[in-house]
Amino acid sequence: EPEVTQTPSHQVTQMGQEVILRCVPISNHLYFYWYRQILGQKVEFLVSFYNNEISEKSEIFDDQFSVERPDGSNFTLKIRSTKLEDSAMYFCASSELGSGTGELFFGEGSRLTVL
Amino acid sequence: QQQVKQSPQSLIVQKGGISIINCAYENTAFDYFPWYQQFPGKGPALLIAIRPDVSEKKEGRFTISFNKSAKQFSLHIMDSQPGDSATYFCAASDQAGTALIFGKGTTLSVSS
Repeated sequence: EPEVTQTPSHQVTQMGQEVILRCVPISNHLYFYWYRQILGQKVEFLVSFYNNEISEKSEIFDDQFSVERPDGSNFTLKIRSTKLEDSAMYFCASSELGSGTGELFFGEGSRLTVL
Repeated sequence: QQQVKQSPQSLIVQKGGISIINCAYENTAFDYFPWYQQFPGKGPALLIAIRPDVSEKKEGRFTISFNKSAKQFSLHIMDSQPGDSATYFCAASDQAGTALIFGKGTTLSVSS
C-alpha cells in the first residue's frame, strides 16, 4: 500500500539553527501539506502546496518557514531559525484531490526538539 | 469561524459499550467532515467521512451523525473494543480546497 514517508523521524537541534524536514508523498498525489502537533494537542495546519506553489498557509507559517518540492518527488519544510516553541511533531500529508474532496494521507511524522 | 470544537477531551468506555464524540463548527461553507484516528507514534488516518447531503453514514461499527441546522456532527463507535483505544480528531473543510481544520482531539480508552 502506498504511503507517505518522512525523514528524519526525530531531530534535535539548538535554538537558532536551520532545520529541513523531508517528505516523499504518494506518487500520484497532487496536493501536499504540512501540519504540526505540539505534544498532546491538536493537529494544526501549516501550509498546503499545489502545482509548485503555496495554495494556502496559516498564521503559524511565518517568514521562518518555507516549503519546496525540489525534485518532483520530495517535499520539504525548512525552518530557518528554530525557536523553542517550534518543538513539535511535524506531519506531512498528501492527497490526490484537494482537502475538501478527498482523503489526506499522513506520514508518521518527524519529531523536532529544539533545545 | 475556522474552528472546529470537539468534546469530550477524553473518554473511558467499557468494552462493548458505545463511544460518542461530538464536534461543532461555525463556518457554513464547510461541507466535508472527516474523522481521523491516531494511534501513538503514528500519523492520523482517515476513519470515516460525511458530506452534508446525508444525516448519517455508517461503516461497520463506526457511524457519523450530522445535524446541518445545528452545525454539529458526532462519531459513534458501537461495541467499542480495546483496539479502538486511540485519539480521534474531527475535521472540516470545504470544496473550495481550504485546509482541513482539525478539532482538539478526544483520547478514547476502552477498558476490558
